[in-house]
Amino acid sequence: EAGVTQFPSHSVIEKGQTVTLRCDPISGHDNLYWYRRVMGKEIKFLLHFVKESKQDESGMPNNRFLAERTGGTYSTLKVQPAELEDSGVYFCASSQQVSPLHFGNGTRLTVT
Amino acid sequence: DAKTTQPPSMDCAEGRAANLPCNHSTISGNEYVYWYRQIHSQGPQYIIHGLKNNETNEMASLIITEDRKSSTLILPHATLRDTAVYYCIVRRLQGAQKLVFGQGTRLTINP
Repeated sequence: EAGVTQFPSHSVIEKGQTVTLRCDPISGHDNLYWYRRVMGKEIKFLLHFVKESKQDESGMPNNRFLAERTGGTYSTLKVQPAELEDSGVYFCASSQQVSPLHFGNGTRLTVT
Repeated sequence: DAKTTQPPSMDCAEGRAANLPCNHSTISGNEYVYWYRQIHSQGPQYIIHGLKNNETNEMASLIITEDRKSSTLILPHATLRDTAVYYCIVRRLQGAQKLVFGQGTRLTINP
């Protein structure tokens, strides 16, 4: 089966611009998670979708971040406007019910 | 979720068994122990998980103490490709709870 796919793999934008990251989960996985790792820090949870509903968004840093999962399939994470501290690697993961989470290889975001 | 404690780094010779310890003294009865690893520039990779019995799969073995307060991940014949950061995570299954990552153990396999 195809794994979790993330687009783009790299993105370089200027401060103040907008970036949209996309995650395609494993087919049939209702649970979708977003995480990020900023330089030198631990991998941090951002939010959790169950189908199209936000189950837990306690990790979203501020209102510049907007996650959507229309139709309960792929998800997007928009950062608007981007700030320097948003630089890092953004990971998406999916799972089926209580199965282990499977992660994509991430999107490396650089804000200059 | 219960917190875990892992050594920040370990070394192991290629071909030998790598034994990675984890303490989770506040684990609850409905919490599982999960192990993930992150190889440089890749996403975290699931290795194994267990509740109270020892588990083995094609990648590793997981030994959980009888009181469940600690566990050991065993890579039986470590290769250079096993060099990675290994994370021990305690997770409740109810509600498909998120994983909470700590600092992990940076395992270096030496030739």
